[in-house]
Amino acid sequence: AQSVTQPDIHITVSEGASLELRCNYSYGATPYLFWYVQSPGQGLQLLLKYFSGDTLVQGIKGFEAEFKRSQSSFNLRKPSVHWSDAAEYFCAVGADRSGGGADGLTFGKGTHLIIQP
Amino acid sequence: DAGVTQSPTHLIKTRGQHVTLRCSPISGHKSVSWYQQVLGQGPQFIFQYYEKEERGRGNFPDRFSARQFPNYSSELNVNALLLGDSALYLCASSLAPLTGYEQYFGPGTRLTVT
Repeated sequence: AQSVTQPDIHITVSEGASLELRCNYSYGATPYLFWYVQSPGQGLQLLLKYFSGDTLVQGIKGFEAEFKRSQSSFNLRKPSVHWSDAAEYFCAVGADRSGGGADGLTFGKGTHLIIQP
Repeated sequence: DAGVTQSPTHLIKTRGQHVTLRCSPISGHKSVSWYQQVLGQGPQFIFQYYEKEERGRGNFPDRFSARQFPNYSSELNVNALLLGDSALYLCASSLAPLTGYEQYFGPGTRLTVT
């Protein structure tokens, strides 16, 4: 079964500083990998995704993530955070079924990002 | 264009009752998925529907059921509510029921069971 681990429950970063959120996954093959952001009272918004090809993927809002197969990791980075980046961040893994359809996304428990002025 | 809409926004139910949650996908999207997000946790997959057929099911008891209508909207039903069913229920729509198609999430329905 696939699983996702986000080791950091909370992270505090000063505005303007760089950010890295960690994500480790467990899956037999190369999965689809995602990062979502959830602001209070909001649904989930997709930041970026990795399916194949270039292991460094660019997303919205200045975020990027790097897929490292040897470490089973898909860490999210941003060079300079803004106060509006304060939110809950979720890493997710997904896969398709051989007969069609999908098993749905498996999410980590999330990392709560706090931005200090 | 309207995004994924869910109703109601909030509701409070008593243990043992039944609840129906509704979801309208983005226009043109034929696949709808449901997720349960307990406070402090990530969303957990419940169901996926495509063209009115169930295409995927998570590890939830039979008290949970869903259906999709000809206009691609969907309902999630939960019978015999337990306190542990209190959560944010998220609906997501996509063009097709494959992982490669981006899922767009609605704002969710907050269910409180007392």
